[in-house]
Amino acid sequence: DIQMTQSPPSLSASLGDKVTITCQASQNINKYIAWYQQKPGKPPRLLIRYTSTLESGTPSRFSGSGSGRDYSFSISNVDSEDIASYYCLQYVNLPYTFGAGTKLELK
Amino acid sequence: EVHLVESGGGLVQPGRSLKLSCAASGFTFSDYFMAWVRQAPTKGLEWVASITYDGGSTYYRDSVKGRFTISRDNAKSSLYLQMDSLRSEDTATFYCITMYTTDYYYLFDYWGQGVMVTVSS
Repeated sequence: DIQMTQSPPSLSASLGDKVTITCQASQNINKYIAWYQQKPGKPPRLLIRYTSTLESGTPSRFSGSGSGRDYSFSISNVDSEDIASYYCLQYVNLPYTFGAGTKLELK
Repeated sequence: EVHLVESGGGLVQPGRSLKLSCAASGFTFSDYFMAWVRQAPTKGLEWVASITYDGGSTYYRDSVKGRFTISRDNAKSSLYLQMDSLRSEDTATFYCITMYTTDYYYLFDYWGQGVMVTVSS
């Protein structure tokens, strides 16, 4: 199984900050990583696929990058509506595996 | 608009069975791979099972193989998860999900609101 090591587990930011979350895969995942946002009591929402492709409706302040084993997800200009948990997902191999999540809070 | 509504959850004793259903609308159900993903209380996300367009192929995580069965009825636009020999560690919210691909690899797209399954004596 491919392990996805996501960090940090939690993040505290002020409105307008830039924050970055990283995911390291236990092997090369050839950019097949997606990022999801989950707000309390809601299902996850797909934000980014294939490392950096924004889904329709994803604000441009979200971005992703990386290759090989190492990937990052950033939010520039954090907005109050971005307060949520974020998860990475590798979808190159079964079983699909998620990172453990990052909880973004307001400072 | 894609709409996925799960049902069938509840409290069940260890070793017993439960069948989850997911009613899909707003899209051509038979055009999509489908999946179940679960989330234990205050925990992360875990893929459970997937199924191809016509149900011809199914895939499971190791911990549920032989106990869970994913199936679909395209005529009813419905997805199912039969869960047998339930264990306390199966306690989670189960999400019904559409899958899609733009090349070869499928990922999780639209998610239902989820249904809670609690396994406890």
